[in-house]
Amino acid sequence: SAVISQKPSRDICQRGTSLTIQCQVDSQVTMMFWYRQQPGQSLTLIATANQGSEATYESGFVIDKFPISRPNLTFSTLTVSNMSPEDSSIYLCSVVSGDEKLFFGSGTQLSVL
Amino acid sequence: SQQGEEDPQALSIQEGENATMNCSYKTSINNLQWYRQNSGRGLVHLILIRSNEREKHSGRLRVTLDTSKKSSSLLITASRAADTASYFCATKEGNTPLVFGKGTRLSVIA
Repeated sequence: SAVISQKPSRDICQRGTSLTIQCQVDSQVTMMFWYRQQPGQSLTLIATANQGSEATYESGFVIDKFPISRPNLTFSTLTVSNMSPEDSSIYLCSVVSGDEKLFFGSGTQLSVL
Repeated sequence: SQQGEEDPQALSIQEGENATMNCSYKTSINNLQWYRQNSGRGLVHLILIRSNEREKHSGRLRVTLDTSKKSSSLLITASRAADTASYFCATKEGNTPLVFGKGTRLSVIA
């Protein structure tokens, strides 16, 4: 199993600003995943972050809007840039165990005014 | 897309009753997983069933998988108020990332 500390837990931001979300894992992991969950919806994968290389983004998500850093095997950040009200969502980081189960951080509830 | 579709979208039951949620998907899978989410927070893994398995149990949870019908069900027996949450199925195909369904919101009334 893995324990993931994610912060901030929530934030209210003005449109046009940026927010950086941090995730710290209690063990070294190769891949970290960033998800978005819009209100009342399912989880959508934003990107996969590998240490030492650029993140791999899913269709509909771009690096300029959601830059990701992965400086080491236990830490990653996701920035939501130039925010608009449509970015109001829960953002979640996760890692995968050896038996293909995902462990999640506690989520960041973002509201953009 | 192989996104799973849960049914029903919402379910309300009395404490002590059983809750059954269903998940349908469209393509061949390696495994299917169920997760719980409390109040919009992080998801918690409940159970994983592989494509060559038909049924698995974990405490009060029972999961079935019918690959011929491309469907799975999650049964929670003797429900408790603490089981109130959203439940998501997620499917794994090859080396692609897990794909989550839309979820079932379960309310257990004391």
